[in-house]
Amino acid sequence: AQKITQTQPGMFVQEKEAVTLDCTYDTSDPSYGLFWYKQPSSGEMIFLIYQGSYDQQNATEGRYSLNFQKARKSANLVISASQLGDSAMYFCAMREFTGYSTLTFGKGTMLLVSP
Amino acid sequence: EAGVVQSPRYKIIEKKQPVAFWCNPISGHNTLYWYLQNLGQGPELLIRYENEEAVDDSQLPKDRFSAERLKGVDSTLKIQPAELGDSAVYLCASSLRVGRVPDYNEQFFGPGTRLTVL
Repeated sequence: AQKITQTQPGMFVQEKEAVTLDCTYDTSDPSYGLFWYKQPSSGEMIFLIYQGSYDQQNATEGRYSLNFQKARKSANLVISASQLGDSAMYFCAMREFTGYSTLTFGKGTMLLVSP
Repeated sequence: EAGVVQSPRYKIIEKKQPVAFWCNPISGHNTLYWYLQNLGQGPELLIRYENEEAVDDSQLPKDRFSAERLKGVDSTLKIQPAELGDSAVYLCASSLRVGRVPDYNEQFFGPGTRLTVL
């Protein structure tokens, strides 16, 4: 069973607008972490933001925020004020902390930012 | 501080040939990961090392893939013989795990090696 689902293969947004990238997850572990990574065409995975399952507040990192809805098992990434350099693949990932599992990634969403 | 270094960046070989990828993690990082990323997919873990010990190699196809991290620093991933389906990007990542309690530990990724098998 797929643990991370990203239903948007591609998203388009105009520069300076906000965009939301969807991510839903599946786990029975009460302790887990959710991650978002950016992968530009150069290939390197760049860490953006982290949300722990016990965190009370939604994570924010500069223009990135994570809309964490635990009951719905969703962890959407919100990018405010999009920039041309935001064009890239974006991956949602999860780690289950019981037993020290490693990262499980979704299939990704390609974001294209237009001028 | 230098990031995760991988070489080569690109490799083109014919099927049935051997190939090796090298990774040097961030200095001081005790955990090293090798991931396989197929086109249009997210990375999938092949093997994880804690220092020099392979603690999770359940997804490594051991009939043709092998890996080593002899001194607990840099690592080599080998495929012998390569098949057409091995064409993919091979990513290396490292992190610093402190203690035995599972916790958030950020993984830093290298640029990857793009393998094409003809």
